[in-house]
Amino acid sequence: EVQLLESGGGLVQPGGSLRLSCAASGFTFRNYAMSWVRQAPGKGLEWVSIIGSDSGGIQYAESVEGRFIISRDNSKDTMHLQMNGLGVEDTAVYYCAKGRGVAPPATRSFEYWGQGALVTVSS
Amino acid sequence: EIVLTQSPATLSLSPGERATLSCRASQSISSSLAWYQEKPGQAPRLLIYDTSNRATGIPGRFSGSGSGTDFTLTISSLEPEDFAVYYCQQFSNWPLTFGGGTKVEIK
Repeated sequence: EVQLLESGGGLVQPGGSLRLSCAASGFTFRNYAMSWVRQAPGKGLEWVSIIGSDSGGIQYAESVEGRFIISRDNSKDTMHLQMNGLGVEDTAVYYCAKGRGVAPPATRSFEYWGQGALVTVSS
Repeated sequence: EIVLTQSPATLSLSPGERATLSCRASQSISSSLAWYQEKPGQAPRLLIYDTSNRATGIPGRFSGSGSGTDFTLTISSLEPEDFAVYYCQQFSNWPLTFGGGTKVEIK
């Protein structure tokens, strides 16, 4: 059974930093691209970033480019999102999501999602 | 950035009725579209990929169609568990983008 478990969410002051992690199990992690998708309270879904199976092919949404850094450790079946310079507009539930397939474009739609980690940016 | 416009924002229907949800892209995305279902307190679930392919375990009452800029998700006969919010997502161009969602509510 595929499982994705996010951790590291919490309350942070504007301008602060936070690091999210996603622990994966139930599939061959090193074969799949992974993404972060967020959802602000009462709003729709917003794609944040993607990382390829070999840590290549990194892309970011314009709203987080230059502030967030995505990474992965295939030896530990984990993915991370380092979030710097956080603003109130970054308040959201952050989902870890597994690409549907092993090769593009199947990597860019999301077959499995975690339950999400809440990040609240507030003073 | 490709903008996806979903309509209507809310669809009020009764169980057993047919639901037709629309997703329009600001430019052609070929068939690079997926649909997701989201229920309160749950993570989104992939329903349809590549415009018309049902994901694993998705019932046959869900179908997708379209190409280019106009896409449709059809639920042939609504079951009680189908009342939820539905999002389309394009993966033709960067950045990946989602539509604003259509809420299917019980009439």
